[in-house]
Amino acid sequence: EVLLVQSGAVVKKRGESLRISCQGSGYTFTNYWISWVRQMPGKGLEWMGSIDPGDSYTKYSPSSQGHVTISADKSISTAYLHWSSLRASDTAIYYCARPFSASLKNWLEPWGQGTPVTVSP
Amino acid sequence: SYILTQPPSVSVAPRQTARIACGGLNIGSKSVHWYQQKPGQAPVLVVFADNDRPSGIPERFSGSNSGNTATLTISRVEAGDEADYYCHVWDSSGHVFGTGTTVTVL
Repeated sequence: EVLLVQSGAVVKKRGESLRISCQGSGYTFTNYWISWVRQMPGKGLEWMGSIDPGDSYTKYSPSSQGHVTISADKSISTAYLHWSSLRASDTAIYYCARPFSASLKNWLEPWGQGTPVTVSP
Repeated sequence: SYILTQPPSVSVAPRQTARIACGGLNIGSKSVHWYQQKPGQAPVLVVFADNDRPSGIPERFSGSNSGNTATLTISRVEAGDEADYYCHVWDSSGHVFGTGTTVTVL
């Protein structure tokens, strides 16, 4: 079974750094991109960026570029989303997801369970 | 950037048909996917590549895509179909999600 398991809920203060993780299992991790999707409270889904774990090539949305860093450690089949300085507006649930096939452009399935991040003032 | 517009809400009586529109410029030339999200849960794929269903998704869920509108159709709606639904495409700039539609079963 293909699974993506994310790290747990986090509460941080504005200005602090944070790294959340997404570990893949049940498939060859380096063969599939991992995408990160944000869902702010009561809002819709927003793609942030994606990484090819095979070579760590990344692609970011314009709104995320420069504010977050996506990385991966293929030795432990884990992708990361990192902030060096959190803002209150980063409060959201963050999902990782994998495309159905090796192409980044495909539909996303499966999804991780989500990591709630709360940033206090 | 590419924009996908959905109605905020759709209400439907049990056993009736719900149709959720997803509007985008020339969306008919793209491959459209749909996700169902229930409160407190991750999104679940219900339709991919315009009108294909993953295993385990009932035949009551179907899709179409032409011109500037893609549509998710839920036939014989059940109480368990109450959820938020999002359309999704790949654009040259990346993954794009629709604004989301809340389906309420009356």
